[in-house]
Amino acid sequence: DVKVTQSSRYLVKRTGEKVFLECVQDMDHENMFWYRQDPGLGLRLIYFSYDVKMKEKGDIPEGYSVSREKKERFSLILESASTNQTSMYLCASSLYGVNQPQHFGDGTRLSIL
Amino acid sequence: DAKTTQPNSMESNEEEPVHLPCNHSTISGTDYIHWYRQLPSQGPEYVIHGLTSNVNNRMASLAIAEDRKSSTLILHRATLRDAAVYYCILRAPDGQNFVFGPGTRLSVLP
Repeated sequence: DVKVTQSSRYLVKRTGEKVFLECVQDMDHENMFWYRQDPGLGLRLIYFSYDVKMKEKGDIPEGYSVSREKKERFSLILESASTNQTSMYLCASSLYGVNQPQHFGDGTRLSIL
Repeated sequence: DAKTTQPNSMESNEEEPVHLPCNHSTISGTDYIHWYRQLPSQGPEYVIHGLTSNVNNRMASLAIAEDRKSSTLILHRATLRDAAVYYCILRAPDGQNFVFGPGTRLSVLP
């Protein structure tokens, strides 16, 4: 089975801090994704990547950046955390192709104080 | 991606079949219909997908209307572990990402 591992289940940071969320997948998938999930808003795509060192903006990239230096690892960076970035963050990976299922991690619940 | 409409919530009794509807009246001819579910405290999980024909797998069946403007996810015998939020999503052939709506929250009663 595909395993997508997010580095932390819960994280508490302070306003203005630089925050790193890490995601690792073990199935050699080309695609990796970062979403955030908020009550009433569903999942919203922040960034995705088709390959190493490639990135594409999703629907809500403002305030975030990403890094993909190795195929198995996709990092989400909050350059200067703000309270409105308190949320559940979900990482996913998939093979390349429109009908390839996405495999999700269990999420990181991030609180910005 | 075209929009889908699902009921906010549904209830089912354990061991009975569940039919989860999804309307997608603006679907294009090449959009695929995908279903995911999200159990409490977990990330979403792939369930099934299809284009025109009905599809079956070990988790569920997908029934697609002839005009493709609606579809139904069928859980043949609901268990307590099937309690989750179920998402119906359309994907265009040139799309790599998903657009998740609010989904249907399914409660399964013992």
